Amino acid sequence: KAGVTQTPRYLIKTRGQQVTLSCSPISGHRSVSWYQQTPGQGLQFLFEYFSETQRNKGNFPGRFSGRQFSNSRSEMNVSTLELGDSALYLCASSLEPTTNEKLFFGSGTQLSVL
Amino acid sequence: QKEVEQDPGPLSVPEGAIVSLNCTYSNSAFQYFMWYRQYSRKGPELLMYTYSSGNKEDGRFTAQVDKSSKYISLFIRDSQPSDSATYLCAMTPYSSASKIIFGSGTRLSIRP
Repeated sequence: KAGVTQTPRYLIKTRGQQVTLSCSPISGHRSVSWYQQTPGQGLQFLFEYFSETQRNKGNFPGRFSGRQFSNSRSEMNVSTLELGDSALYLCASSLEPTTNEKLFFGSGTQLSVL
Repeated sequence: QKEVEQDPGPLSVPEGAIVSLNCTYSNSAFQYFMWYRQYSRKGPELLMYTYSSGNKEDGRFTAQVDKSSKYISLFIRDSQPSDSATYLCAMTPYSSASKIIFGSGTRLSIRP
C-alpha cells in the first residue's frame, strides 16, 4: 500500500510569489492535515480537511489556504511568499478525523523562499 | 512560554545504552500523548500512543505519562545506531487528528 505522497519534494521560490503543494493520502484515507515544520517553531498545525470541508484551522495568516478534492487529494497554497515561509510542509492522512493514533505523514515538501 | 517543552539536544549515547527522552507541558486538558520518530528528510512516524496517565511498552520502547506532574517520557532500551533520529513528543486534548501540539524534538545519536 502506497504511503502519503507529497509533490514536489523541493521547491525554490522568491518573495512575493505564490506556491501550490500537493498531497495524495493513503488509499482509503479521507482526512488530510497539513503542518509546517521549521527549526525555530517546530511542527505547527495549518489545517485539516475531511470530505472536501475544512474542519479546523491553525493560527496562520490568510495567505495560507488549502482545499480537498472528491478523491481526498489535497492542495495547499501560499500566496505572497515571505522569507519566513521557508519550511518543510508536511501532509498527514488518516482514515477518519477522529483517529489521531493512525496519523501517517508524508516526507514533506521543502520550500525555500529567497 | 510554549505549551510543550522538549530539550532539543543533541543527545549522544553509546550503542546498548538506555535512552531517556522527556517533555513537559502546561495544558492540563491534554489527554492523548504520542511519540514520533523522524529520520532526516522524512516525515514523522508514530512510535507510541498513550491515552491519559500510565505506562505503555512496545518492544524496546516504553512510554510514561504523569499527568499530575505534566511530564511524559520515552525510554529506549538496548539502543541501536538505527535509533539515531529526532524524537518528537506530541499531545492533544482531542481524539481528533487535528490540532496536535508537537514538541520541538530531541536529536538523538547512537554511537556504534
